[in-house]
Amino acid sequence: LAKTTQPISMDSYEGQEVNITCSHNNIATNDYITWYQQFPSQGPRFIIQGYKTKVTNEVASLFIPADRKSSTLSLPRVSLSDTAVYYCLVGPINRGSTLGRLYFGRGTQLTVWP
Amino acid sequence: DAGVTQSPTHLIKTRGQQVTLRCSPKSGHDTVSWYQQALGQGPQFIFQYYEEEERQRGNFPDRFSGHQFPNYSSELNVNALLLGDSALYLCASSLSSGLPTDTQYFGPGTRLTVL
Repeated sequence: LAKTTQPISMDSYEGQEVNITCSHNNIATNDYITWYQQFPSQGPRFIIQGYKTKVTNEVASLFIPADRKSSTLSLPRVSLSDTAVYYCLVGPINRGSTLGRLYFGRGTQLTVWP
Repeated sequence: DAGVTQSPTHLIKTRGQQVTLRCSPKSGHDTVSWYQQALGQGPQFIFQYYEEEERQRGNFPDRFSGHQFPNYSSELNVNALLLGDSALYLCASSLSSGLPTDTQYFGPGTRLTVL
């Protein structure tokens, strides 16, 4: 199982772009990279998921280099409401029969200041 | 379209008691997973249910058990509660379509406090 390493905390200011990098040196061929966001006393919320290169949605972008040993979550123009814990997860996608458990680390506490 | 719902929101029990937590998956989802999240930690996988069977289990003792009903809803039962069982219990649902985009959606959680 691929272990992930991400910074414990990051600070930013409103309007800035925030990049959170996650290292996963032992990622397997069938592993996907998924990011979740969690506010205090709430369940994690899916942000973005990718396998290689770049993925973009209305919330964030995910950059994955060719060797897939790391990934970067990019949040454009953050606001105070983006203050949360961000988790990087690596693992096979749910196939119903045997897969689908998610392994969470301690995540990155992002604090956005006015 | 309702997302994942959990009940109750909060619960206070004493050591040695038993507790049952409930989860209704997102509409159309057939797989339910349960996680325990201690304060300051990431969620830890307890077990997963699919087709009313426990498919996977994390490193939790047999005091933790569960059930999935024909309508895909699920229960988590914890017997002989310990102080260390105090945590946020999260339910996540997903659809086992086999597509790479299968994603787990989490409910708001049940905050269990054991005194």
